This record gives sequence, C-alpha cells and structure tokens, in this order.
Amino acid sequence: DSGVTQTPKHLITATGQRVTLRCSPRSGDLSVYWYQQSLDQGLQFLIQYYNGEERAKGNILERFSAQQFPDLHSELNLSSLELGDSALYFCASSEGAGQPQHFGDGTRLSIL
Amino acid sequence: AQTVTQSQPEMSVQEAETVTLSCTYDTSESNYYLFWYKQPPSRQMILVIRQEAYKQQNATENRFSVNFQKAAKSFSLKISDSQLGDTAMYFCAFIKGPYDTDKLIFGTGTRLQVFP
Repeated sequence: DSGVTQTPKHLITATGQRVTLRCSPRSGDLSVYWYQQSLDQGLQFLIQYYNGEERAKGNILERFSAQQFPDLHSELNLSSLELGDSALYFCASSEGAGQPQHFGDGTRLSIL
Repeated sequence: AQTVTQSQPEMSVQEAETVTLSCTYDTSESNYYLFWYKQPPSRQMILVIRQEAYKQQNATENRFSVNFQKAAKSFSLKISDSQLGDTAMYFCAFIKGPYDTDKLIFGTGTRLQVFP
C-alpha cells in the first residue's frame, strides 16, 4: 500500500462528458503529480501541484484542469471527453524535490 | 530535452536466475535522480530503486541493484534470484534535479517474464 488513494478505480462514460478524478496524497506529502498512461503515448506527466499551487505543467490538454485543495487532496477534471482520452490516470505524491514519488492504484477511464 | 531509452521491449528469465535490464538517458544536467519502477499485471506502479547522480555508489535494495555509469549515461537494473512475482513491466525514469519541477520522465518500459 503506497498510502496514495485514488477514486474511483474505474470510470466508464461517453464522448463529450466531463469527469473528476480524485487523489489523496500520503500523509505529509506536499507535492502531487498527475500522469496519464496510454498504449500509444506511454507514461506522460500532466501536472504538478505543491502545497496548493501549480508547480509545473506537462502535456496536459486545455480540456483538462486540476487543483490541489487546502487539505492537500487533488482533483483532475477532464471535460469534452474524446475516445483518445481513454487511459489509466495515476496520481503520485512525494515529500519534496527529488524524493521518490509514490503512486496510487490509478483510475481507469474508458470512453465509449 | 531529457529523454530515457529502454532498448529491450521484452525479456525473459528463468526462476532463480539473474537478469539485467538496460536504460540509457540523455541530459546536460549534472544533478539528477534516476529510478526504476515496476508495474505488475495489477497495473500498480511500485518504486523499486532510486539513485542520486552525485553518489558514485550503486544503489541496492535486496535482490535489486543498479549499475550506474554517469559518463556513459547508463542506468541498468540487475535482478538476482528472479522470482515469479518479478514478472512485470519495468520502467526507468529520470528527474532533472531538485531545483526545478521534479516530474518523472519515463522510458517506454521493458516487459519481464519470469518462467518457472
């Protein structure tokens, strides 16, 4: 058990819809990261938050947004969903720069 | 831009034997971190080992060890006494350094099958 909790584990929805993925980091970790794992793109960094503030953006689409709340949990919002958004979305957390990132079990998103 | 290359898409090994997975990376940075993550069929991402670039000593975690060659930009993972539970996808990953965003840059992975 990594200590990082992601909900839900599975999501099935249709094109054009909007979903919210939730992540609770390990106790004490201030950094939260979101990654997307798809068959064609591999593991890609989406966005990082540190103590409530956005720290870095990667290959995140404009249709996607995220935030980190005062209690340090984070949400990834995906809107106007397309078939190509089907993927496994991971949240990870760490104590700080250069420290190991511990991953949640992921949310598998399927777009029909 | 930093890149991570894993040139072995698939490997197999017999139980109790030793196997080495290769990873090379490209960076102009002098301070960075390297990781190996394991992803079993359950799809969890599990940290296997971490290496700090400024440390010359190779990291070791039980049956897992690395051969870190900084000049060659090589970071291979050796699994000794392979077990059936080691069957998984293994990803090599890189973090640029502690003073910038520490996003992980992943290689494409090596699928390891351990046979009885």
